[in-house]
Amino acid sequence: NAGVTQTPKFQVLKTGQSMTLQCAQDMNHEYMSWYRQDPGMGLRLIHYSVGAGITDQGEVPNGYNVSRSTTEDFPLRLLSAAPSQTSVYFCASSRVRSGNEQFFGPGTRLTVL
Amino acid sequence: SQQGEEDPQALSIQEGENATMNCSYKTSINNLQWYRQNSGRGLVHLILIRSNEREKHSGRLRVTLDTSKKSSSLLITASRAADTASYFCATEARTTSNNAGNMLTFGGGTRLMVKP
Repeated sequence: NAGVTQTPKFQVLKTGQSMTLQCAQDMNHEYMSWYRQDPGMGLRLIHYSVGAGITDQGEVPNGYNVSRSTTEDFPLRLLSAAPSQTSVYFCASSRVRSGNEQFFGPGTRLTVL
Repeated sequence: SQQGEEDPQALSIQEGENATMNCSYKTSINNLQWYRQNSGRGLVHLILIRSNEREKHSGRLRVTLDTSKKSSSLLITASRAADTASYFCATEARTTSNNAGNMLTFGGGTRLMVKP
């Protein structure tokens, strides 16, 4: 199993550009989520999904959009990039029942100029 | 705002010593989890302790949970240079929402350096 994969690993954008961060998992996990991690800080939840067709907002959803058309994929869209979105983005997946560990992807390092 | 706060923010010890990290949180929880992050990598799950448990062991890891004080500690015994990493606690809040799944809230982490 590849686990959780993310692409790209690195990305540089200009202010106002849009892009999609890709996330895929091959563990048939119902729950998927996106976090951002800023320097010296923990992870903050952006959006999450408990299954195909179901998404919800986390702590810091503004400026981001998600969709979940399949169990495997959970892309994160930046609608109009801003310097404040410079961060490292992590995707994670798990079984949806309480008490399950989350499996993290390797992260995407995004810089917005 | 973050649910958990780790203490200390940074810890430097010699190989062979024990490392203790603490985590405090604010709301009622179903469980508390500890994750490790090596520099530039994703997080890796270490151990989970449920709200009705007080102590749990896994290899060189020992986790305690005090729900009355809303706090947890992670002890790494006989540390090794390879234990150098950031350690995060994460809480799964008790919620009645069916759509919350197992949403986690992370603390700011403790950066551990183990010197050879």
